Amino acid sequence: DVKVTQSSRYLVKRTGEKVFLECVQDMDHENMFWYRQDPGLGLRLIYFSYDVKMKEKGDIPEGYSVSREKKERFSLILESASTNQTSMYLCASSYRRSYGYTFGSGTRLTVV
Amino acid sequence: SQQGEEDPQALSIQEGENATMNCSYKTSINNLQWYRQNSGRGLVHLILIRSNEREKHSGRLRVTLDTSKKSSSLLITASRAADTASYFCATDTSYSGAGSYQLTFGKGTKLSVIP
Repeated sequence: DVKVTQSSRYLVKRTGEKVFLECVQDMDHENMFWYRQDPGLGLRLIYFSYDVKMKEKGDIPEGYSVSREKKERFSLILESASTNQTSMYLCASSYRRSYGYTFGSGTRLTVV
Repeated sequence: SQQGEEDPQALSIQEGENATMNCSYKTSINNLQWYRQNSGRGLVHLILIRSNEREKHSGRLRVTLDTSKKSSSLLITASRAADTASYFCATDTSYSGAGSYQLTFGKGTKLSVIP
């Protein structure tokens, strides 16, 4: 069964810390995505990548960066965590546009 | 920016009844997709309908698409308690020849199926 694995289910970090959220897929998918989900706001796209070392900004990239050194791994980096980055972070991957996304289980990040 | 908007925001029905959720969007699309999310978990892809399709079925799910009205509906027939979840529509509005694409999600409909 195809899988997208997010390294942590729950994470608590302090304000100002550098935070790494890891996402690994085992499906050889070209496309990978990072969303955050907040009550009342739905899912918002942070960054996405359509190939190794390629990245594109989504709707809310400020305060985040990403890294995709290998096809199967897409990392989201919070350069200096702030309390307004407390959220559920969802990683997804996709084979191509005519296919749906496969999501990971999510990382619930709390910044204190 | 929000592309798809689901309606209603919440829906409560009895087991065995049908559930209908609607999605409206603003700009032309390549395809529209529906996802389900159980509480606190990742989303699961349910069905994809292309812009040149009008209706699609998958098991107890039926999706319709009306591009002239920029709207879609998801019908779940003979609902079960296990269908309790949030349902999201997502639109692909990227240029069809583009090398990259992404989905824009609505805020979801929360469905409760009462046993």
